[in-house]
Amino acid sequence: EVQLAESGGGLVQPGGSLRLSCAASGFMFSSYWMHWVRQAPGKGLEWVSRINTDGSSSTYADSVKGRFTISRDNAKNTLYVQMNGLRAEDTAVYYCARTIPPYYFMDVWGKGTTVTVSS
Amino acid sequence: DIQMAQSPSSLSASVGDRVTITCRASQSISNHLNWYQQKPGKAPKLLIYAAATLQSGVPSRFSVSGSGTEFTLTISSLQPEDFATYYCQESDSVLFGQGTKLEIK
Repeated sequence: EVQLAESGGGLVQPGGSLRLSCAASGFMFSSYWMHWVRQAPGKGLEWVSRINTDGSSSTYADSVKGRFTISRDNAKNTLYVQMNGLRAEDTAVYYCARTIPPYYFMDVWGKGTTVTVSS
Repeated sequence: DIQMAQSPSSLSASVGDRVTITCRASQSISNHLNWYQQKPGKAPKLLIYAAATLQSGVPSRFSVSGSGTEFTLTISSLQPEDFATYYCQESDSVLFGQGTKLEIK
């Protein structure tokens, strides 16, 4: 079964750091671009970042640029996002999703992991 | 930068109704538009990609039209399981619309 499973969420103080992981199974992870998408409580979906198949190219939303770093380990079938300088407005459920260019539709999503930034 | 405007933001309808949701782009995006359905507490689900292609398993009561700057998602006869929030998504900038919450009247 094709699956994505996020982990690593939790409560962190403003200014703190957190690394989220997304474990992929049931498909050839190294063949897919991947996204992180987040959803603040009661709000809509916000794209966070995207990475290509070998990790050589990544893009970020302006809201996280310079603070978040996406990466992947194809040998471990795992996607990551390192989040530094966390702010209250980063509080959200974070989803990973697989995607294929050129339409970058997200056809498989994880269940999400919750990040809460609060003192 | 491209802006996406989705309307309406909410919609009340009854089982069996036909409803239409619109997504407008501030500039032409050709057919680079995808649609998702999200139910409370769940991850989004891909419905349509490349503006016109139904994802496998999506019922035929879902249909789409449009290209360029204006796109519509139509549900021809609402079923109880269709009450959810719907999002459009522009492909290149990966920009989501604000969402349309479809509620039972």
